[in-house]
Amino acid sequence: DGGITQSPKYLFRKEGQNVTLSCEQNLNHDAMYWYRQDPGQGLRLIYYSQIVNDFQKGDIAEGYSVSREKKESFPLTVTSAQKNPTAFYLCASEGDRAFVYTFGSGTRLTVV
Amino acid sequence: GQQVMQIPQYQHVQEGEDFTTYCNSSTTLSNIQWYKQRPGGHPVFLIQLVKSGEVKKQKRLTFQFGEAKKNSSLHITATQTTDVGTYFCAADGIKAAGNKLTFGGGTRVLVKP
Repeated sequence: DGGITQSPKYLFRKEGQNVTLSCEQNLNHDAMYWYRQDPGQGLRLIYYSQIVNDFQKGDIAEGYSVSREKKESFPLTVTSAQKNPTAFYLCASEGDRAFVYTFGSGTRLTVV
Repeated sequence: GQQVMQIPQYQHVQEGEDFTTYCNSSTTLSNIQWYKQRPGGHPVFLIQLVKSGEVKKQKRLTFQFGEAKKNSSLHITATQTTDVGTYFCAADGIKAAGNKLTFGGGTRVLVKP
């Protein structure tokens, strides 16, 4: 079955460490997105990529980095520069039907 | 600041009752999407509205796009416990956001059995 896979489901990070969240899709979608969700809040866009080897900053890109070397993969690195990284991170992809996103099951990141 | 406003932020509903949640924008939207996120889960696409005044139904859910394409509503009839979750609207056509969706803050629905 086609879909988006995010891993790990839960991630614990020590302060000062960089961590990378994985997002893989086999839907053959061109566009991919990373969102951050804080408890009881909406979705805020971190980065997005509409084509391989190209990506754009979203509304809250500071302290994050991404790469898009393959169509299927869009990993997100949470760097030590991100001061409050504890959150639920959601990856999404968009295919031929514009603005219809398929979301992964998310990664819950906790700084310990 | 947020350019797509959802009201109410929380909705406590007695099982069997109806309720409506609203999504409002100060600018004209190209289209609007609705997503549902179950507690502990991820958002799942429900519907897309494109035309002015468009109404779409999915079983007990009725979605409407305003005539001026600045607002939308989701009406749920005979609420069930399976309706628990957060309902997000997401809009395109907000100039500052470019060619991507802007999500509202969501309406969190709790159902009292």
